[in-house]
Amino acid sequence: GAVVSQHPSWVICKSGTSVKIECRSLDFQATTMFWYRQFPKQSLMLMATSNEGSKATYEQGVEKDKFLINHASLTLSTLTVTSAHPEDSSFYICSAKQTLNTEAFFGQGTRLTVV
Amino acid sequence: KQEVTQIPAALSVPEGENLVLNCSFTDSAIYNLQWFRQDPGKGLTSLLLIQSSQREQTSGRLNASLDKSSGRSTLYIAASQPGDSATYLCAVSHWGSGGSNYKLTFGKGTLLTVNP
Repeated sequence: GAVVSQHPSWVICKSGTSVKIECRSLDFQATTMFWYRQFPKQSLMLMATSNEGSKATYEQGVEKDKFLINHASLTLSTLTVTSAHPEDSSFYICSAKQTLNTEAFFGQGTRLTVV
Repeated sequence: KQEVTQIPAALSVPEGENLVLNCSFTDSAIYNLQWFRQDPGKGLTSLLLIQSSQREQTSGRLNASLDKSSGRSTLYIAASQPGDSATYLCAVSHWGSGGSNYKLTFGKGTLLTVNP
């Protein structure tokens, strides 16, 4: 299957700082990318959907000013957690699709710990 | 609002057994349904994709079926092996409420343990 690379795989940051997570589709052009958050032993919670070149659509309850999503190209989307706090510590996973009807491929996830 | 339910939440079987995982969804207006596998602390690996017009897909020891009208899908695993132990997630692709955005909605998963 296609490859989605997510970087970094883990990061520890101090409270109040910002962290950027990258999601790249390596061998296909992703018109749509998704960002998820996963708590321990829970399923994936969709945070936002982004289409290349347009603003992301955020799910209810997700602060757009805190979780900045950029999808400037067909192969790269970034999630920036601004002014991170310990409650933002979680596992963040991105996903990419070439078109609506094609398979969704996932990155390896990023374990964020805010201390 | 689309909701996806997976039953059972956990399943433990001896090696070699055939097993079925169940997934149901409330809104049949889907593009496709996908089954994934997730190992602890890892991302998701896509197993099978079934388009809304299809009834089933097969890959090796895995067979997934889709009954869109009744909102159900099953994942059949034949001759289970200890390496199959993981969390299995199903997800449906659909438009969000009001058609504002396209979504992939997940169930909570089934934790499978295959004992040697």
